Amino acid sequence: EADIYQTPRYLVIGTGKKITLECSQTMGHDKMYWYQQDPGMELHLIHYSYGVNSTEKGDLSSESTVSRIRTEHFPLTLESARPSHTSQYLCASSEGGYSNQPQHFGDGTRLSIL
Amino acid sequence: GDSVTQMEGPVTLSEEAFLTINCTYTATGYPSLFWYVQYPGEGLQLLLKATKADDKGSNKGFEATYRKETTSFHLEKGSVQVSDSAVYFCALSPLRGSNYKLTFGKGTLLTVNP
Repeated sequence: EADIYQTPRYLVIGTGKKITLECSQTMGHDKMYWYQQDPGMELHLIHYSYGVNSTEKGDLSSESTVSRIRTEHFPLTLESARPSHTSQYLCASSEGGYSNQPQHFGDGTRLSIL
Repeated sequence: GDSVTQMEGPVTLSEEAFLTINCTYTATGYPSLFWYVQYPGEGLQLLLKATKADDKGSNKGFEATYRKETTSFHLEKGSVQVSDSAVYFCALSPLRGSNYKLTFGKGTLLTVNP
């Protein structure tokens, strides 16, 4: 099965803290994605990357930032967390080049900002 | 732009009932189509896919047929189990452009009672 890992699984933290959500994949996939999933289940793409040193903003505006220094690693950072950032964050990856390649998802990080 | 519309839930069924979750799409050309499933507390898993018209994707007793004429990709299962309780997402990936980002439907929550 897919090998994509997210840490932490759960995080409860106070307002104003800097947070980094980790995402790593061992499949050598070029493309990686971050989604925010609201309580109503809908998924919103907030960041994606086509490869090392490539990052783009997604369809939903987000105050978070991402980096892609290594193929396997795609961390998401919030410089100053706020209660409005409370959500579930899902990381995914896929092979490049063809539309029929599915995305593989991690188990997510459930973030709660107090 | 591309869009996916899927049946609103929640859907509640008794064990061994027949399941249909409707999904229609709007896209240019021949996108690839996917069904993902999200079990409680987990990320999304690919359930099945179809990449061209009249293709039938199948997995774990679930089936969906790519209907170009009706732009649909309805998910069906002949006899659901309690373990099928989850959220189901229909998605498409365009043949070209958008670097194959997925467009998701809003998800359908299925609950199967014993």
